[in-house]
Amino acid sequence: EAGVAQSPRYKIIEKRQSVAFWCNPISGHATLYWYQQILGQGPKLLIQFQNNGVVDDSQLPKDRFSAERLKGVDSTLKIQPAKLEDSAVYLCASSLVSGRYNEQFFGPGTRLTVL
Amino acid sequence: AQTVTQSQPEMSVQEAETVTLSCTYDTSESDYYLFWYKQPPSRQMILVIRQEAYKQQNATENRFSVNFQKAAKSFSLKISDSQLGDAAMYFCAYSGGGADGLTFGKGTHLIIQP
Repeated sequence: EAGVAQSPRYKIIEKRQSVAFWCNPISGHATLYWYQQILGQGPKLLIQFQNNGVVDDSQLPKDRFSAERLKGVDSTLKIQPAKLEDSAVYLCASSLVSGRYNEQFFGPGTRLTVL
Repeated sequence: AQTVTQSQPEMSVQEAETVTLSCTYDTSESDYYLFWYKQPPSRQMILVIRQEAYKQQNATENRFSVNFQKAAKSFSLKISDSQLGDAAMYFCAYSGGGADGLTFGKGTHLIIQP
């Protein structure tokens, strides 16, 4: 079974530029999460999708971050404009169904550096 | 808001020995779930073990077991017969309050000494 795919693996941009990350969850997984992991910290949930609908985006900085999952499969997370404090690893995770007990499978992440 | 605290930034253990990683959490919920995730240097997080709060029996997965103390809001991970492949960051995580998303601690860096 193929795992969660993310691209790019690394991205370097200057502040005020825009950037987008892509995630392809495990086939058949209805629930998709985006987490932000700043160096030295644990991941922080940004947004959760159930199929193509948003379940929880309470911690997403909506003035600069946006995310979509148009067909209920792939997802894109965008930052515009980027700030220095956005430097982090962005992790995508998926689970078969929603539910707190269900295992979340994580991708390798995208490391973003904002200069 | 729920918080998860891991007070040990780094732990070191000799190969084949036993090590315990600590985790405490704060919540007002009665129904929740707790997890330990492993993040090797490649950065792909892997679930190690999970515990349902309403189950009194501590979860066990091969060499990994937890000590869940609900009243004390403590959830420690014990790794027996430590192996070189156990070296990684270990994150304690919480899920509850009607949300599926995980709240993570800051992690513990586990070093295995050969």
